[in-house]
This record gives sequence, C-alpha cells and structure tokens, in this order.
Amino acid sequence: GQNIDQPTEMTATEGAIVQINCTYQTSGFNGLFWYQQHAGEAPTFLSYNVLDGLEEKGRFSSFLSRSKGYSYLLLKELQMKDSASYLCAAMDSNYQLIWGAGTKLIIKP
Amino acid sequence: GAVVSQHPSWVICKSGTSVKIECRSLDFQATTMFWYRQFPKQSLMLMATSNEGSKATYEQGVEKDKFLINHASLTLSTLTVTSAHPEDSSFYICSARDEGGGQVETQYFGPGTRLLVL
Repeated sequence: GQNIDQPTEMTATEGAIVQINCTYQTSGFNGLFWYQQHAGEAPTFLSYNVLDGLEEKGRFSSFLSRSKGYSYLLLKELQMKDSASYLCAAMDSNYQLIWGAGTKLIIKP
Repeated sequence: GAVVSQHPSWVICKSGTSVKIECRSLDFQATTMFWYRQFPKQSLMLMATSNEGSKATYEQGVEKDKFLINHASLTLSTLTVTSAHPEDSSFYICSARDEGGGQVETQYFGPGTRLLVL
C-alpha cells in the first residue's frame, strides 16, 4: 500500500533549527512536496524535490533520498510565525498526491 | 502567480439545504482540481478529483450524489453539498494543479470554505 509517515508533533525554540522527517512508500514516484498549514488556513506550498539532494530556499531547505524513501524539511532561525503544521506529500505514478497526517510544530520563545 | 480562489469563505446554512462552493484558478489553467475536507485537528482528506470536461473521480466512501462536482472550464470547479446535514460541517479546501508552471505538477490550494450546518 501507499503510506507516508511523519512525526505528529515537534517542539523547538525560537532562533533554533528543526528538522522534520518524512518517510514514504508509493506506487511509483514523481516527487515529494512539503506544505505549511497554519491553524484554520489552507496549506501553502513550500518545496518540491524529485532528485536526490538538498534544495535550499531561504530559511527553509528540503532534502530527498529516493533510495531510502526519505525526505526532511529543515527550518533555520525559527520564528514564532513558523508555528504551524507541516505536511509531507509524495506524488505517485498517477501524479496523485499521497498525504501525510502532518507534523505540528510548536515554537517556544 | 499560481493563485487559487475559493468562494464563499464562510457558509452557515440550515439542515437540508444545498450549498455550492466555487474554486477558481486565477492565473493558470487547471485540467485537474481536487476537493479536500478537513475536520478540526485532522489531516486533509481527499474527497474527489475534478477533471475538466469529464466526470469527477470520487474517493472511497464519498457519496457522489451528495457531493456534486462540476468542472466546466479550465479555471472553475464547483462542489455542491446537497441536502447538507450537521455532520457535513467541515473545512472544505480545493486545490488546482498547475501543469504548465516551473514547478511540475504542483498543487496550489484555495483559502478554504468553512461550512456550518445547523
């Protein structure tokens, strides 16, 4: 079957770095997406990886290892506004997104 | 770019009435749009995939006669919740797949519609 695993909740301190891991199993693979969702709002697109390696975009970076079925989202210089849920989604061979349940990130001052 | 709008953002209705939600891709054409539902503190749940010019594909357990989807143009999909009941109260979110942009196959989400059925 198809499955996405990510931690339910993480806590980090303002100004620090946090890494949110995601493992996936899909029928075929056409890329890995990360979305941010603030409470009560719709998800917003953060990153897309289809090749192995690290993609950096400002304070956020995303890493992919296709052989391991593994990705992580790295957030640096954490700000209070980064408190949100982070959704990992893998695209299967039919270009359908398989969603994880999301990781709730709590930032403490 | 890649903006998706959704209307209305809030709906309060009486049990038994029907509610229509619109999803529009504002600056790109979307052959495929998706409708999700999200209950409080739960993950996104895909309800159906809306295909322009053809019938929607519904996920298992989603009643197609209750949740009517129409994707009549490349920029508009509508979801109609027919004979709504209190258990249909939820956050409904649409997304549209940008198939022509720089990021391949990225889905962009509308702001969501909160439905409360009394």
